[in-house]
Amino acid sequence: DAEITQSPRHKITETGRQVTLACHQTWNHNNMFWYRQDLGHGLRLIHYSYGVHDTNKGEVSDGYSVSRSNTEDLPLTLESAASSQTSVYFCASSEADVDEQFFGPGTRLTVL
Amino acid sequence: LAKTTQPISMDSYEGQEVNITCSHNNIATNDYITWYQQFPSQGPRFIIQGYKTKVTNEVASLFIPADRKSSTLSLPRVSLSDTAVYYCLVGVSAAGNKLTFGGGTRVLVKP
Repeated sequence: DAEITQSPRHKITETGRQVTLACHQTWNHNNMFWYRQDLGHGLRLIHYSYGVHDTNKGEVSDGYSVSRSNTEDLPLTLESAASSQTSVYFCASSEADVDEQFFGPGTRLTVL
Repeated sequence: LAKTTQPISMDSYEGQEVNITCSHNNIATNDYITWYQQFPSQGPRFIIQGYKTKVTNEVASLFIPADRKSSTLSLPRVSLSDTAVYYCLVGVSAAGNKLTFGGGTRVLVKP
C-alpha cells in the first residue's frame, strides 16, 4: 500500500546543530508540505513543493530549508537548531489537482 | 491569510450529533474548506471537503452558508472512537502560502 513515512520519529538535539528530518511518500504525489504543530497554534505551514526542484516558503519558514530532488522525498533541514523549534513536525502530500492531504506520523523534535 | 477560528473544546455523549463551527471571515474566492481529524501521536486524517452549500460523505456532513464566512462540521451519532481533535483548513494546495489551519477543537465523547 502507498504511504507516507517520516524519520526519525523522535529526535533530541542541541542548540546550534544542523538537523534534517526525512519525509518519504510512495503515492507519486507532486505536492508535498511540511508543517509544525505547537500547542495553541495548531498546524502552521513551513515549506511546500509542487514538484521536483520546486520549493516555496510557508508562513513560518525562517530557520528552515527544503530541497526536492525527486518526487518521493522532501527533507526538512534546520540549519542551526533553536529552542523555539522544539515542536512536532508533520509532512504531508497531495495529488496535484486534489486537495486531500495525506499526513505522515510526525517527528517530535526537542532542541535543548 | 484567512484567519480561522474554532472552539477550543466540546463534550458530547455517545449517539449524539456533534457540530463544530469554524469561522473564516476573509476566505478567498478560490478557497476550499477541509476538515481533518487527529488522534494522539498521529498525523491528521482527511474527513471532508467543500466549497459551498452542503457536502455529505459516509462519516460527516459539511455545511457552508452562502457567504462562506463560516463552516460547520457535523458528526452524526458519535461514538467513543470519535474522541479526537478536529481541524478546519481554509485554502487550496495551488496557493500553498495561503493554507491556514484553525487551532483545532478537542472533542470528548463520553459514554
